[in-house]
Amino acid sequence: GAGVSQTPSNKVTEKGKYVELRCDPISGHTALYWYRQSLGQGPEFLIYFQGTGAADDSGLPNDRFFAVRPEGSVSTLKIQRTERGDSAVYLCASSLISADTQYFGPGTRLTVL
Amino acid sequence: TQLLEQSPQFLSIQEGENLTVYCNSSSVFSSLQWYRQEPGEGPVLLVTVVTGGEVKKLKRLTFQFGDARKDSSLHITAAQPGDTGLYLCAAKFPDFNKFYFGSGTKLNVKP
Repeated sequence: GAGVSQTPSNKVTEKGKYVELRCDPISGHTALYWYRQSLGQGPEFLIYFQGTGAADDSGLPNDRFFAVRPEGSVSTLKIQRTERGDSAVYLCASSLISADTQYFGPGTRLTVL
Repeated sequence: TQLLEQSPQFLSIQEGENLTVYCNSSSVFSSLQWYRQEPGEGPVLLVTVVTGGEVKKLKRLTFQFGDARKDSSLHITAAQPGDTGLYLCAAKFPDFNKFYFGSGTKLNVKP
């Protein structure tokens, strides 16, 4: 079966613009996680969904970042008024249930000019 | 605050050599995972350890979880160029329902 997919694979935008990053989890996985990985670092937790609801959004850096998962499947990470410091690889992972094995997508590389 | 420390940050060795990488914390883990990540891809889970003192083997890879559950190591025997990648540990701490990642060890195995 298909793994976790993320689109786009690369996104280049200008400072101040709005971007949306999409994650398609493995079918049937109820838990979905977003991470941000900067160059030379490990993934940094952003937000975790259990079904449609955000169970833990404590990792979102500020109110410019928002994520939704309206039907409990696909999730979108939204970043408003992008800043150069937002440049990173954004990773999505899903698991059958929370705290179970996470399967990661390939990530979206975001570059803010 | 960095909850997990991984060492070394970088490691470059010749094919056939053995190596060990470490993951340490000042706090007790509920469980710990090791991942391998290649450029342009997401991390792939290698192993999960949950019991203090636990040792798991995956072919040439040996994973150890410290008795006090504050540290873990990954030992690779007879490294091959295909082992090249970023090795990440991720820990789950009591009362937290998420994993915290270390900054990784970047391994390069030269043929």
